[in-house]
Amino acid sequence: DTAVSQTPKYLVTQMGNDKSIKCEQNLGHDTMYWYKQDSKKFLKIMFSYNNKELIINETVPNRFSPKSPDKAHLNLHINSLELGDSAVYFCASSQEGTYNEQFFGPGTRLTVL
Amino acid sequence: DAKTTQPTSMDCAEGRAANLPCNHSTISGNEYVYWYRQIHSQGPQYIIHGLKNNETNEMASLIITEDRKSSTLILPHATLRDTAVYYCIVRDVSSGSARQLTFGSGTQLTVLP
Repeated sequence: DTAVSQTPKYLVTQMGNDKSIKCEQNLGHDTMYWYKQDSKKFLKIMFSYNNKELIINETVPNRFSPKSPDKAHLNLHINSLELGDSAVYFCASSQEGTYNEQFFGPGTRLTVL
Repeated sequence: DAKTTQPTSMDCAEGRAANLPCNHSTISGNEYVYWYRQIHSQGPQYIIHGLKNNETNEMASLIITEDRKSSTLILPHATLRDTAVYYCIVRDVSSGSARQLTFGSGTQLTVLP
């Protein structure tokens, strides 16, 4: 009965490859997010998305794109992977509203060689 | 631009209260104070939030000063499982971009046996 799940948990790949990370939430939430946590442990928002609006952090390269097949899923596609993309990526979800507590997934550790 | 200042690290004896301070001297009237924590190798977890009144839930208490420029998260009886990085976040929930949490560097709380 995991609330927010991500696959894969670990992803090791070569520079230049294209990869995807999947996220699913079974909480019935209408908003989902992707965060990146780098080697210095700083957590930064990348995207927030609901069926009305996609908000992109302006520092995110356009090689990163979120894709939402339905309300319960928000996948992260990364093209032409670079060494600096190595990080832990967290998906989260919340219900739109004034006090929307966010629920986070377990994270995907991406290593680019 | 996390808008908050927290000590880098703190220790607490198991069974004692852990008091984690946070300064947010530039907080505006629309901004709430949120606390999240991140246990090693896990996703962040919501703890509590408040606007100006003190709040308590099953996990913790939140004390906000009258001028709202600082707050303290209190874990009344810390256990070893409370060892984590604790993030204090101020957030204006009235706008779309407010969905996005802006994490600072947080406080590493270590509960000692």
